[in-house]
Amino acid sequence: QQQVKQSPQSLIVQKGGIPIINCAYENTAFDYFPWYQQFPGKGPALLIAIRPDVSEKKEGRFTISFNKSAKQFSLHIMDSQPGDSATYFCAARDGQGAQKLVFGQGTRLTINP
Amino acid sequence: NAGVMQNPRHLVRRRGQEARLRCSPMKGHSHVYWYRQLPEEGLKFMVYLQKENIIDESGMPKERFSAEFPKEGPSILRIQQVVRGDSAAYFCASSPIQGEGFFGPGTRLTVL
Repeated sequence: QQQVKQSPQSLIVQKGGIPIINCAYENTAFDYFPWYQQFPGKGPALLIAIRPDVSEKKEGRFTISFNKSAKQFSLHIMDSQPGDSATYFCAARDGQGAQKLVFGQGTRLTINP
Repeated sequence: NAGVMQNPRHLVRRRGQEARLRCSPMKGHSHVYWYRQLPEEGLKFMVYLQKENIIDESGMPKERFSAEFPKEGPSILRIQQVVRGDSAAYFCASSPIQGEGFFGPGTRLTVL
């Protein structure tokens, strides 16, 4: 089953806090795991991505943790700012065939000042 | 260095009309993916095209929907005889190679 489950659906954090968004998948053919940030009325923008042979990747304030055996990965945002308020989607790429992305349901993140 | 362009950005159609959504990929990109986003949901894959070829249309509804990516010009997603349930945001992503993608700003279709 080509599914990616994302939680929580919404998250409110105070400025400076560390929001954590979690995703889980089933399909072992997934070979690439990106996170997208989407602002209202805009398209998704690639934030950070990881491949399954790596357990952690950090870019600026954003960190992905990846647990291959548990088929789970998560996004951490350090020193969160009000400008980080957006909807975040995890995704997984099917390494076979068209290599399409399968998206999670999204997390609406609000960072309060 | 223009990004992926989609037009129109907003499209309003009455039930039964046709909707045509255009996607101009980034320069040098020959792979295009179309995704649909229903309100409060994640994006769902619809179709993957390379120049002049449909490679995977497993996410497309069997009826009323079609897509093309001609040798010249933008990729087109066509929805015939639109219904209220077609109201959504439609995004395309273009890529120089299979599997990577830069998303456009989307077309928001409203069916009255």
